[in-house]
Amino acid sequence: AQTVTQSQPEMSVQEAETVTLSCTYDTSESDYYLFWYKQPPSRQMILVIRQEAYKQQNATENRFSVNFQKAAKSFSLKISDSQLGDAAMYFCAYRSAANDYKLSFGAGTTVTVRA
Amino acid sequence: EPEVTQTPSHQVTQMGQEVILRCVPISNHLYFYWYRQILGQKVEFLVSFYNNEISEKSEIFDDQFSVERPDGSNFTLKIRSTKLEDSAMYFCASSEGSGGSGNTIYFGEGSWLTVV
Repeated sequence: AQTVTQSQPEMSVQEAETVTLSCTYDTSESDYYLFWYKQPPSRQMILVIRQEAYKQQNATENRFSVNFQKAAKSFSLKISDSQLGDAAMYFCAYRSAANDYKLSFGAGTTVTVRA
Repeated sequence: EPEVTQTPSHQVTQMGQEVILRCVPISNHLYFYWYRQILGQKVEFLVSFYNNEISEKSEIFDDQFSVERPDGSNFTLKIRSTKLEDSAMYFCASSEGSGGSGNTIYFGEGSWLTVV
């Protein structure tokens, strides 16, 4: 089974500043997908960004970008120009490209944004 | 934008009672899932469903649980004889299941189950 590790239980960032959340994973597969999900206080799981392992280019979605280091099995999320609405729990998740369609989640990182 | 919808948003039930959580996946999606998140813990996979049968289930998904797609739109999770430790947020999710962006799993807003 794949293991996803988020080593930062909590991160705090000043509004308009940048914060980077770390995620590492353990897999023997070469083809897979990685995701960051956001869970605000409403507890809904919202997709933030996705990355295909076969793509070398790092994914970007507006203020959110990733640093995908396949050899190091690292997948960090950078939130630029942080906004109050970014305050949430962020989960890193792994999904195999094989027949295994389930997501394996990390423990999550709580992001607080200071005004 | 299409979304996964879940009902009820919150349910309180007596220990030992049966609960059915309902979900309407995104209409063109073929794969359906249930995940669980106990308060303060990580999200855990319960079961995946494709072509009217379970494709994979976790060790959490024992005989107490069952899933069903009774018609062309609904996807349900039944929990028989609920226990206190079943209290959690239950997320329904779906995906197209094909390659590329089809592997993205979209979640509903969750059903918060409290067993008393």
